[in-house]
Amino acid sequence: DARVTQTPRDKVTEMGQEVTMRCQPILGHNTVFWYRQTMMQGLELLAYFRNRAPLDDSGMPKDRFSAEMPDATLATLKIQPSEPRDSAVYFCASGLGQYETQYFGPGTRLLVL
Amino acid sequence: QKEVEQNSGPLSVPEGAIASLNCTYSDRGSQSFFWYRQYSGKSPELIMSIYSNGDKEDGRFTAQLNKASQYVSLLIRDSQPSDSATYLCAASFYFGTGTSLTVIP
Repeated sequence: DARVTQTPRDKVTEMGQEVTMRCQPILGHNTVFWYRQTMMQGLELLAYFRNRAPLDDSGMPKDRFSAEMPDATLATLKIQPSEPRDSAVYFCASGLGQYETQYFGPGTRLLVL
Repeated sequence: QKEVEQNSGPLSVPEGAIASLNCTYSDRGSQSFFWYRQYSGKSPELIMSIYSNGDKEDGRFTAQLNKASQYVSLLIRDSQPSDSATYLCAASFYFGTGTSLTVIP
């Protein structure tokens, strides 16, 4: 049963600390998305990659967020320095193209104190 | 970001009734449309995808797409308490904020 995996599942940190979230897409999927979900804003697109190349990261605060795909089996999202307003659930999703069905990971619940 | 608008609800229907969920989108170039279901504390999961104008049926679910009106809908027939969740509409990879549905036994 192929699934997207994300680590960590929960993260509590203090303001100013670096946070790194990891995602393993489903094997064979060439597109990876990062989303942030809050009650107020819903599911916001942060960035997405196709064949490991970043296609759009306009949804990310550039001064503190960065997203990379070091290889086809790993995507990372980093926040440095973290702020309380970054508290949210961060989802990774993968698919066979940016216009195709997305399969979501379980999410990383981030709390910045 | 491209806008996708949904009525946030909450929408309550009795068990066995038809639930109707609606969505509009701003990008006329959108080619693919999706309905995802999200239970509280869980990740979104696909209910239906639709790419062409008209209706698409899958079991108790029917998705409707009207590109001229930039409108997508989801009908859930014979609603069950297990259908109680938040339903997210997506145009390509842009999501609405979701409609909360409660099915009352």
